[in-house]
Amino acid sequence: GAGVSQTPSNKVTEKGKYVELRCDPISGHTALYWYRQSLGQGPEFLIYFQGTGAADDSGLPNDRFFAVRPEGSVSTLKIQRTERGDSAVYLCASSLASGNSYNEQFFGPGTRLTVL
Amino acid sequence: DQQVKQNSPSLSVQEGRISILNCDYTNSMFDYFLWYKKYPAEGPTFLISISSIKDKNEDGRFTVFLNKSAKHLSLHIVPSQPGDSAVYFCAASEWDRDDKIIFGKGTRLHILP
Repeated sequence: GAGVSQTPSNKVTEKGKYVELRCDPISGHTALYWYRQSLGQGPEFLIYFQGTGAADDSGLPNDRFFAVRPEGSVSTLKIQRTERGDSAVYLCASSLASGNSYNEQFFGPGTRLTVL
Repeated sequence: DQQVKQNSPSLSVQEGRISILNCDYTNSMFDYFLWYKKYPAEGPTFLISISSIKDKNEDGRFTVFLNKSAKHLSLHIVPSQPGDSAVYFCAASEWDRDDKIIFGKGTRLHILP
């Protein structure tokens, strides 16, 4: 079956521009996660959705970052006024549910964002 | 402050020998631990996990050991194969917060022919 897909695979933008990154989770997965992986680092949690609502957005670095999941499936991570420090691979993952029993998170291939 | 630490950025092991990847953690609230494997241009894939009620979990060539008192875990791969060359991430979560996984920086494993 299809895994998690992310588009675009690469995005180059200029400082100050707005970008949107898209994630299509595995069908039937109610939980969706965004991570950011900077060079030489492990994935860093940004935000988690259960259904349509953001259950935990404590990892978003500042108010330039925002994510939506209006119909409980596809999610978009939005970054306003991009800065060079935003350059990283943005990973999306999905799982069946989340809560007090572990459900494996399946990761997409990521979107490599480069801010010039 | 890094809550999950992988102090070896890279490791080279001869094919057929044992690979041992180490991980330390600082948060005593962590009670679920995972290893992910990542190939270039792909997302991380789940490899093996262990809960804090166990000290060992084995799956084929992969075994994870947990030493809670030392806040240390390790991943053993035996025998190592060329396809094992990848970046390995150690990760941890609190039992009631499996949505929030904290990852280490990763260790790049090279399997030498």
